[in-house]
Amino acid sequence: GAGVSQSPRYKVAKRGQDVALRCDPISGHVSLFWYQQALGQGPEFLTYFQNEAQLDKSGLPSDRFFAERPEGSVSTLKIQRTQQEDSAVYLCASSTRTRKLSDTQYFGPGTRLTVL
Amino acid sequence: DAKTTQPPSMDCAEGRAANLPCNHSTISGNEYVYWYRQIHSQGPQYIIHGLKNNETNEMASLIITEDRKSSTLILPHATLRDTAVYYCIVDGGSQGNLIFGKGTKLSVKP
Repeated sequence: GAGVSQSPRYKVAKRGQDVALRCDPISGHVSLFWYQQALGQGPEFLTYFQNEAQLDKSGLPSDRFFAERPEGSVSTLKIQRTQQEDSAVYLCASSTRTRKLSDTQYFGPGTRLTVL
Repeated sequence: DAKTTQPPSMDCAEGRAANLPCNHSTISGNEYVYWYRQIHSQGPQYIIHGLKNNETNEMASLIITEDRKSSTLILPHATLRDTAVYYCIVDGGSQGNLIFGKGTKLSVKP
């Protein structure tokens, strides 16, 4: 079956531009996570959705980062006025249930954002 | 910060067993040990998890010491496609989000 998909796979933005990154989770998955992965580091948590509700956005690095999941399926991570330090791979993951570490998270391939 | 310590890199010959160690000396009694791996240019992939007993599935085996302060992931017959960064994870955030360390970069060589 289809896994988690993300688009675009690669995005180059000029500093100051706004970008939108899309995540299509596995159908029926309740939980959706966004992670940020800097070069040579493990992924770091950004935000969490349970269906359409954003229950945790404690990992978002600044108010330039905004995420939504209006119908409880597709999610979009938006970064306004991009800065060079935003350059990273942005990963989306989904899982079947809610808030349990033991639920396997299925990751998308990520979007590599490069800010020039 | 992650509660695990892993060697930054390891090599393994193709066809041999790859044994990846992980130290988690501060693990709590009800915390599981999870292993994910990340092949280049892909998202992380779940491998296996366990609490106390050793576990085996089609991908790997997980050996957890009796005191639960360390564990070993075993890939019994490594192939070139097993070249990846392997993450040992014992903790998560309040939403069930994974807390990754830097992992071990495993290179399987012909």
